[in-house]
Amino acid sequence: DGGITQSPKYLFRKEGQNVTLSCEQNLNHDAMYWYRQDPGQGLRLIYYSQIVNDFQKGDIAEGYSVSREKKESFPLTVTSAQKNPTAFYLCASSPPGWGGFQHFGDGTRLSIL
Amino acid sequence: QKEVEQDPGPLSVPEGAIVSLNCTYSNSAFQYFMWYRQYSRKGPELLMYTYSSGNKEDGRFTAQVDKSSKYISLFIRDSQPSDSATYLCAMSASGGSNYKLTFGKGTLLTVNP
Repeated sequence: DGGITQSPKYLFRKEGQNVTLSCEQNLNHDAMYWYRQDPGQGLRLIYYSQIVNDFQKGDIAEGYSVSREKKESFPLTVTSAQKNPTAFYLCASSPPGWGGFQHFGDGTRLSIL
Repeated sequence: QKEVEQDPGPLSVPEGAIVSLNCTYSNSAFQYFMWYRQYSRKGPELLMYTYSSGNKEDGRFTAQVDKSSKYISLFIRDSQPSDSATYLCAMSASGGSNYKLTFGKGTLLTVNP
């Protein structure tokens, strides 16, 4: 079955540490996205990528970095510069020309130790 | 004024009730309107997709858009306990080339057996 796989499901970060969240899709979608979800805040866009080797900042990119070396993969690094990283992180992808049809993974919950 | 406003609830109804979920928005450029359903500890899944004003029906679900009032609704008929989830509205200025969706904060719905 096609879909989006996010790993790990739960992640703990120590102070001053960078952590990387994995997102892999086998839907053959060009566009991929990273969102952050906080209680009562809805989904906020961190980064998105329309094609390989290209990505754009979303609304809350500070303290995060991404890469898009392969069509299937869009990892997100939460750097030590992100002072409030505790949140539920969601990865999504969409087919060409259908940015509204976003398919989501089941998320990674990141907490601070 | 936020671009998209959605009452977070929570909303609790008995099984079989008709549920009405709503969002208002301020950006008149929005033309594409989506409803996503998110079960606890899962990623959102696309439920309904509507372009411009009008109604769209899919089984027990009806999406309604009133662009003149900048108001969208999702109706659930004969609600079931399996409908218990958070419902997120989302919208964009264009469905294809604009990859950025603006989400509401979500409404938590509980359907009691």
